[in-house]
Amino acid sequence: AQTVTQSQPEMSVQEAETVTLSCTYDTSESDYYLFWYKQPPSRQMILVIRQEAYKQQNATENRFSVNFQKAAKSFSLKISDSQLGDAAMYFCAYRAGNMLTFGGGTRLMVKP
Amino acid sequence: DTGVSQNPRHKITKRGQNVTFRCDPISEHNRLYWYRQTLGQGPEFLTYFQNEAQLEKSRLLSDRFSAERPKGSFSTLEIQRTEQGDSAMYLCASSLVGRYGYTFGSGTRLTVV
Repeated sequence: AQTVTQSQPEMSVQEAETVTLSCTYDTSESDYYLFWYKQPPSRQMILVIRQEAYKQQNATENRFSVNFQKAAKSFSLKISDSQLGDAAMYFCAYRAGNMLTFGGGTRLMVKP
Repeated sequence: DTGVSQNPRHKITKRGQNVTFRCDPISEHNRLYWYRQTLGQGPEFLTYFQNEAQLEKSRLLSDRFSAERPKGSFSTLEIQRTEQGDSAMYLCASSLVGRYGYTFGSGTRLTVV
């Protein structure tokens, strides 16, 4: 079974600084997708960024970028120029078939 | 497109009672998923539908749980004889077949007292 591990239960960053959230996963598949979701207190899971495993180029969405290391099965999220609105739970997720498998989450706090 | 809608947002019930939650997906999405999220954890897959057919169920979905999606539109998740361990957030998501993106609803928070 696929597993997704987020080793940082909680992270803190100063406003306007950069923070990196870690994620590792375990799979025997070669074709899959990886995602980072944000869950603010409003509870709705919001897609932040996605990465297709067959693509070598790391995905970027504005202030959000990933470092995808396929051989190491690592998928970290970098948030640049952190904003107060970035404070939330962040979940790493994996999809090879029909379902998403989530990690345990990292709570990100942003200090003004 | 009003997104994925879930009702109710909160439900408090006494142990042993039955509860039913509703999910209205994005209208053109033919896949619908149910997840359960306990406090401080990531969501766990429960079941999914493609149109009206329930194609996969997790072992987490005990006999007390049943889900339906009549006519491939909205879906309901019923929990019979609720237990305190059923207290969680129940999330619904929808997507198109062949597309990687899910759209989640805001969830229904169940508290069993």
